[in-house]
Amino acid sequence: EPEVTQTPSHQVTQMGQEVILRCVPISNHLYFYWYRQILGQKVEFLVSFYNNEISEKSEIFDDQFSVERPDGSNFTLKIRSTKLEDSAMYFCASGAGLQETQYFGPGTRLLVL
Amino acid sequence: RKEVEQDPGPFNVPEGATVAFNCTYSNSASQSFFWYRQDCRKEPKLLMSVYSSGNEDGRFTAQLNRASQYISLLIRDSKLSDSATYLCVVNRAGGYNKLIFGAGTRLAVHP
Repeated sequence: EPEVTQTPSHQVTQMGQEVILRCVPISNHLYFYWYRQILGQKVEFLVSFYNNEISEKSEIFDDQFSVERPDGSNFTLKIRSTKLEDSAMYFCASGAGLQETQYFGPGTRLLVL
Repeated sequence: RKEVEQDPGPFNVPEGATVAFNCTYSNSASQSFFWYRQDCRKEPKLLMSVYSSGNEDGRFTAQLNRASQYISLLIRDSKLSDSATYLCVVNRAGGYNKLIFGAGTRLAVHP
């Protein structure tokens, strides 16, 4: 069964450093998403991406965040200058179409020190 | 008011019990509704979509009441493996499939 994959599974970084989280969505999917979950809190939407551009983003997704689909298979989330409060689990998801089920990757646990 | 509200639990039930979870949502224009399951420190996994007519998948039954903006999940004959957090999820109307998650209801099934 096809699945969404994410790397790395864990990332520890110093405050102010840049991190890139990587995702490989399911191959025939067209809609891509990033969500995050701070420990003990609910899953929160960050951004959706379709047709090589951001289609929607939340207030969390400020200028420190960017997304890219550099090569037609990977989907990346970049945080330019990490803050302590960016520590969370980051989930990538993909879907075949609008209103279709979203399938989540296993997540990247980011710890900012 | 939170967009999606759930009782956080935990619900502690013996194997074989029937347990029901409820959820309310605030945006009456919401279009799609789901129950996801999340195991500790893992990704959310779709359990089932929820339709106005109600739907059943084995031991799981989901109901949607649009008038009351209320969603339910019933688990019959609980198994130890059902222990997890159950997330009520709503698809925001008019957006690019942005999912709004409830905080989850924790279920612990004991022998």
